[in-house]
Amino acid sequence: GENVEQHPSTLSVQEGDSAVIKCTYSDSASNYFPWYKQELGKGPQLIIDIRSNVGEKKDQRIAVTLNKTAKHFSLHITETQPEDSAVYFCAASKGGSYIPTFGRGTSLIVHP
Amino acid sequence: DSGVTQTPKHLITATGQRVTLRCSPRSGDLSVYWYQQSLDQGLQFLIQYYNGEERAKGNILERFSAQQFPDLHSELNLSSLELGDSALYFCASSPDPANTGELFFGEGSRLTVL
Repeated sequence: GENVEQHPSTLSVQEGDSAVIKCTYSDSASNYFPWYKQELGKGPQLIIDIRSNVGEKKDQRIAVTLNKTAKHFSLHITETQPEDSAVYFCAASKGGSYIPTFGRGTSLIVHP
Repeated sequence: DSGVTQTPKHLITATGQRVTLRCSPRSGDLSVYWYQQSLDQGLQFLIQYYNGEERAKGNILERFSAQQFPDLHSELNLSSLELGDSALYFCASSPDPANTGELFFGEGSRLTVL
């Protein structure tokens, strides 16, 4: 089955800096790559996603890039703010069932 | 608020016992997913139901079972509980998995087995 590796497990940045989280996947048939943000005491919430026919997608301060050849994708957060502090999960899934396989998560800490 | 409701929020029980976790999906969502989140394993997919029928199975133990009722709410039954079953159990729903791919997660049920 699919295997998703996520790095780093912890990321500490100063407010205003950029943060990058990287993921790799194993199944070349995967074609949907969502990113979820989990705040303390809450369930994961989708923040951005990308499909395999697109190389990059942006939504205000967040962007995701996908390299299908290398089977890796990344989340970029610019101008980080303390409210960006949370655990971020990448995931990969295939069309049809769209059952995502999640990475182990990255705890992002943004220091004011 | 995702619109997915899970009860109870917290549950403390003893080894060998049985518990039932309940999930109400977002209005109109036909698909329900159960995930287990533990510190060392991350988010592990357990099982998916679509409109009352089991659609996919993940790493769900034989001691665990689930069902989705005609009103689309779902229950996850955990029996013969072990210390290692202590975790956060999330339910998620989606309208039709072939359409969007986005899952809407509840806030989870935290199970502690003593």
